[in-house]
Amino acid sequence: KNQVEQSPQSLIILEGKNCTLQCNYTVSPFSNLRWYKQDTGRGPVSLTIMTFSENTKSNGRYTATLDADTKQSSLHITASQLSDSASYICVVPFNNNDMRFGAGTRLTVKP
Amino acid sequence: SQTIHQWPATLVQPVGSPLSLECTVEGTSNPNLYWYRQAAGRGLQLLFYSVGIGQISSEVPQNLSASRPQDRQFILSSKKLLLSDSGFYLCACTTGSNTEAFFGQGTRLTVV
Repeated sequence: KNQVEQSPQSLIILEGKNCTLQCNYTVSPFSNLRWYKQDTGRGPVSLTIMTFSENTKSNGRYTATLDADTKQSSLHITASQLSDSASYICVVPFNNNDMRFGAGTRLTVKP
Repeated sequence: SQTIHQWPATLVQPVGSPLSLECTVEGTSNPNLYWYRQAAGRGLQLLFYSVGIGQISSEVPQNLSASRPQDRQFILSSKKLLLSDSGFYLCACTTGSNTEAFFGQGTRLTVV
C-alpha cells in the first residue's frame, strides 16, 4: 500500500525512436504525480506534474498521461536523443512531508 | 527558485570513521528538508525529514542521524560508519504546499 512501481526497469532504444515508460501507484489519497529525470550521479530534476484532473500534458518531446481511475501514468518520449539517457522516476506525494518514489526506469539511447 | 548545495560530491571513508554531510538551501525560507539514500538500481529511500529548526523525523532505524541547526542547513551524520552505509545520498527541499522537490547534486559515499 502507498507504493509506486515503475516498468520497465531498464530500456535501450536507438536514437530517434520513441518509447513509453509506465508508472503504477497505490498512494492514497492522491493529489498529484511527478516525473523526474535523473542524470547519472546527479540529483533528480522535475519534468512535469500531473494533477488529478489532468489526463495528458506535454513538455517538448515528453508527454505524460494520467489515468486516476486505474492509478497509472505514462511518460512518452518522442524522437529520442542521446541526452535523454537517464533514469526517469515517478513520484507521488504522501501525507504532508513524504514523497513515494518509484525505483525508476533506466533509459539508454544509443546512436 | 531554490538552489540546494550539497557537499562533498564524493567521499571514501573507512569503516568505523565518522561522517558529516552538509546541505544548504538558497532562495527560500522555512523549507521542508529531506535526506534520501539511493542504492544502485534502487529507488530513493527517505532517511530523515525536517519541517523546521531542530525538528527531525526519522523514517528508518539506522546508523545515521540528522540535525538542522539553522533554517536552511541540514546535516547528515554518523559516529561510526558501516559498510552498508555506502550509497548515493541526496538532500532535497520542498516549500509550503508546492510538492516539487529540488535536489542537491548528491554525495557518493563509499565505505571501505
